[in-house]
Amino acid sequence: AQSVTQLGSHVSVSEGALVLLRCNYSSSVPPYLFWYVQYPNQGLQLLLKYTTGATLVKGINGFEAEFKKSETSFHLTKPSAHMSDAAEYFCAVNPRVGNNRLAFGKGNQVVVIP
Amino acid sequence: DVKVTQSSRYLVKRTGEKVFLECVQDMDHENMFWYRQDPGLGLRLIYFSYDVKMKEKGDIPEGYSVSREKKERFSLILESASTNQTSMYLCASSLSGMNTEAFFGQGTRLTVV
Repeated sequence: AQSVTQLGSHVSVSEGALVLLRCNYSSSVPPYLFWYVQYPNQGLQLLLKYTTGATLVKGINGFEAEFKKSETSFHLTKPSAHMSDAAEYFCAVNPRVGNNRLAFGKGNQVVVIP
Repeated sequence: DVKVTQSSRYLVKRTGEKVFLECVQDMDHENMFWYRQDPGLGLRLIYFSYDVKMKEKGDIPEGYSVSREKKERFSLILESASTNQTSMYLCASSLSGMNTEAFFGQGTRLTVV
């Protein structure tokens, strides 16, 4: 079964500083990769995804992520944090074979400090 | 825009009650999912369905069942609610194909007392 690792359940970042959220997956065959964001009292919303092609993927709200096969990673970054980025972020993977079962990491709660 | 609608935002039920959580999507998606979200545990898959009347168990199906009689509707059933089923429940839908993203409803926060 796929597993997804997100380290650090709570991440504090100063307004204007770099946001870096790490995601690693365990699979010999690279899966499809997704980042979702959840604002308070809302469902999840897609930030970006990697399926094929360019390994640097740009998403909404200035976020981007880079797929690195050699490191089995799909880290999420944003150059300059904004107060509105305070939310919970989830990395998710879907295997390229087998059942369509999206597996999620445990999430990172991002706090932006003014 | 894709819309996934969950019938209730908040529910309070008593231990032992039979509980129905309803989810409707309006984009003709083949796949539908029920997840449970708990602090520090992320989202855990309870059941998913890839077609009408078809279902597969997820990672934590115990104590739950599902029903999908129509393509747009996927129901989660707690046969006899227990306090350890107090949680946030999220419904999602997607097109078939593993490279497609899932679209989520707003969630139902269920409290079992």
